[in-house]
This record gives sequence, C-alpha cells and structure tokens, in this order.
Amino acid sequence: QVQLQESGPGLVKPSGTLSLTCAVSGDSISSNNWWSWVRQPPGKGLEWIGEIYHSGSTNYNPSLKSRVTISVDKSKNQFSLNLSSVTAADTAVYYCVKGFDLWGRGTLVTVSS
Amino acid sequence: SYELTQPPSVSVSPGQTARITCSGDALPKKYAYWYQQKSGQAPVLVIYEDSKRPSGIPERFSGSSSGTMATLTISGAQVEDEADYYCYSTDSGSDQSVFGTGTKVTVL
Repeated sequence: QVQLQESGPGLVKPSGTLSLTCAVSGDSISSNNWWSWVRQPPGKGLEWIGEIYHSGSTNYNPSLKSRVTISVDKSKNQFSLNLSSVTAADTAVYYCVKGFDLWGRGTLVTVSS
Repeated sequence: SYELTQPPSVSVSPGQTARITCSGDALPKKYAYWYQQKSGQAPVLVIYEDSKRPSGIPERFSGSSSGTMATLTISGAQVEDEADYYCYSTDSGSDQSVFGTGTKVTVL
C-alpha cells in the first residue's frame, strides 16, 4: 500500500523559508510518476505549487516560481519543497501528491512571528 | 496565467442529477481531472482523463469534455456526495497545471 507522509515545521517566521519533506512508502520515487506539491489556504481552494520527476525535471506554478524549489532524494525515497520569503499569505495546508491519484494527509504550515 | 472556471455552488435534492462545469481554453487539447474534497480531508480523485473512473468510485460519477468545457455529472446524487469539487488540468502552451476555482455541492 503506497503512502505519502508530509513532515516539517508547523510554524515559520515571515521572510523565512518553508521546508517540507514527503516520505514515500510502498513505491519507489524512481517509478514512472510525477511527484507534486499542492496547497490550500484556510477556507480557500487548491493551488498547484509544482512537480518533479525522479530525473530531476521540474515544473512550477509561474506565480510562485521565483520562490519555489522542489527536489528529490532517491536514497531516502522522498521529495521536498522549499518556499522562500514567506508571508502570511503562504499559510496553508500543504499536500504532497503522487501522480494524480494519491495524496498525503496534508500538513498545516502557519506563517507568523 | 492559465485559469479554469467553475460555478461557486450547485444544489440538488437527493436522487437528482448534479452537473458541475469547468471552463478552460486548453481543454480541447488537455485532459480534465476531477477531485472531491470533503471537509477536513484530502482530495480524492473521482474522474481522470476526462471520463475514466478510478476503482472504488461509484458509477453515479461520470465525466465528459467537449470543446473548452469539461463536465462532472453525479447521477442520483446522495447526501454523502456533499463536498467541494475541483477540476484540474494543464495549459497547452506550457507545463503549468492548475486547479479550477472549486464548486460546493449541496445535496438536501
């Protein structure tokens, strides 16, 4: 059974960097899938952040591209999200996703001093 | 940037048919995907590649796409289908993916 588990700080200071990791179990990060990050501010809709293939190829949301880095660690079978220069507007539940059909449970990240 | 537009809300009585539309310029060339999100839960894929249903999704969920509009249909909606629904697709001129604005479906 494939599972995704997000982890990282639940509180980040303004202007800081948000860093999350998605641990993959039951499947290889090198399988034929794109691995994505999606976020959802409280009470709002879903926003696609970006995706990575195991080769390292990435695609990012143009509105976040200047602040986002998604990377993959094959040795740990996980992928990560870094979002720099955060503000309160980056407060959201962050989900990691395998392909189109498997989502992690999500983790709430609050940006506040 | 690319946008997918959905109606904010749809309301039906139990047993009736709910239709949710998703409008986007690239939909003639790109597949649409549909997600159901219940309160406090992660989204669940209910339709992929315009009209295919993942295993475990009830047959009352169906999808179609024509021109610049994709449609999710819930035939004989049940109270448990109350949720937010999002379409998802990709811009034809880039590798930018996007979610629709979301539709709240009420069954009462």
